[in-house]
Amino acid sequence: AQTVTQSQPEMSVQEAETVTLSCTYDTSESDYYLFWYKQPPSRQMILVIRQEAYKQQNATENRFSVNFQKAAKSFSLKISDSQLGDAAMYFCAYNRGQGNQGGKLIFGQGTELSVKP
Amino acid sequence: DAGVTQSPTHLIKTRGQQVTLRCSPKSGHDTVSWYQQALGQGPQFIFQYYEEEERQRGNFPDRFSGHQFPNYSSELNVNALLLGDSALYLCASSAFRLAGGHGELFFGEGSRLTVL
Repeated sequence: AQTVTQSQPEMSVQEAETVTLSCTYDTSESDYYLFWYKQPPSRQMILVIRQEAYKQQNATENRFSVNFQKAAKSFSLKISDSQLGDAAMYFCAYNRGQGNQGGKLIFGQGTELSVKP
Repeated sequence: DAGVTQSPTHLIKTRGQQVTLRCSPKSGHDTVSWYQQALGQGPQFIFQYYEEEERQRGNFPDRFSGHQFPNYSSELNVNALLLGDSALYLCASSAFRLAGGHGELFFGEGSRLTVL
């Protein structure tokens, strides 16, 4: 069975600084997707960034980038120039490839990020 | 363009009762998934509906059931409520047919269920 592990329950970063959130996963599949979701206190889960396992290039979305190490099964999220609005719970998630219809995500336990002014 | 909408936002039930939660997917989406998120935990997949049928199911008992209507909206029903069913229930929609199986999931704000 696939599992996702986030070993940092809480992280803190100074505004404008850079922070990295860690995620490891376990799977025997070769085709899969990895995601980072942000859940602010409003509760709505928002997609931050997505990585297809077959792509060697790390995904980037503005201030957010990932370090995808497929052999090590590691998928960390780097937030550059942190802003107060980045404060939220961040979840790493895994999704199997073909035949999955995209709906079944396996989530990690989450990392609560606080941003200090 | 309305996103994923869920109702009710909060509700309180007592043990043994039954509850129905509702979800309207984002416009253009045809697939609905339900997740249970206990306090301080990551969401756990309950099941997914596409073309009015349950397509995938997570490790949840039969007390959890669902339905998808022709307009793609969905309901989650939980029977014989237990204290442990207290959680945030999230609905997510995606466009399976348009995206070929891996459309982005859009989440609603959830329904907070408290079982006393």
